[in-house]
Amino acid sequence: VQLVVSGGGSAQPGGSLTLSCAVSGFTFSDFEMSWVRQAPGKRLEWLAYISSSGNTKYYEESLQRRFTISRDSVGKTVYLQMSRLRAEDTALYYCLRGGVPGNYDVSTGYNFFDPWGQGTLVTVSS
Amino acid sequence: DIVLTQSPLSLTVAPGEPASISCRSSQSLLRSNGNNYLHWYVQKPGQSPQLLFSLASNRASGVPDRFSAGGSGTHFTLNINGVEAEDVGLYFCMQSLHIWTFGQGTKVEIK
Repeated sequence: VQLVVSGGGSAQPGGSLTLSCAVSGFTFSDFEMSWVRQAPGKRLEWLAYISSSGNTKYYEESLQRRFTISRDSVGKTVYLQMSRLRAEDTALYYCLRGGVPGNYDVSTGYNFFDPWGQGTLVTVSS
Repeated sequence: DIVLTQSPLSLTVAPGEPASISCRSSQSLLRSNGNNYLHWYVQKPGQSPQLLFSLASNRASGVPDRFSAGGSGTHFTLNINGVEAEDVGLYFCMQSLHIWTFGQGTKVEIK
């Protein structure tokens, strides 16, 4: 199982970046995917979730709809489009797979994450 | 949001000695199905986090027997029975009862 993340880098405040997470080694359509970030000196923060079909998406409320998660079943890739970037978005971003196949929600308890892709650094600065 | 509080935040342990990390939740993570939605991860230096235990006590594949985890409701613990040099890293808990939140992390170092 591999999750290969790309697309990190530098951006100016107000700018945009798109992160990609190319997966292999498992049946992509069976698993939920998420993005998490770790800002310097802060605890990990979950950002966005997408169901195995792509039909259900959740976002951390404080993102104020600046981030969009999507997935491409043909290319086996998950994306995180980030817009209106702020200095506080500077962080290491991780792509994660649901720990067990299927879709889970508040009625079942949510899935854990396993594995994590390698982090990609996003730096927002003028 | 569910807040997870870990203690201690830092731990320096001599090789072969035991170590214990606590994770307390601001609300119960126990569902009516009997599962506690609390998971443990370790982030070793230069690596991405990796799963140690899911649902409070289910050891992940490849995790050595010297690691154990337990607890229920609002208090959970991760134990290392005889720390080894390769155990150095940042250990953190995560809950998945209501979306996902993380503990602050506990840094484990070798004396």
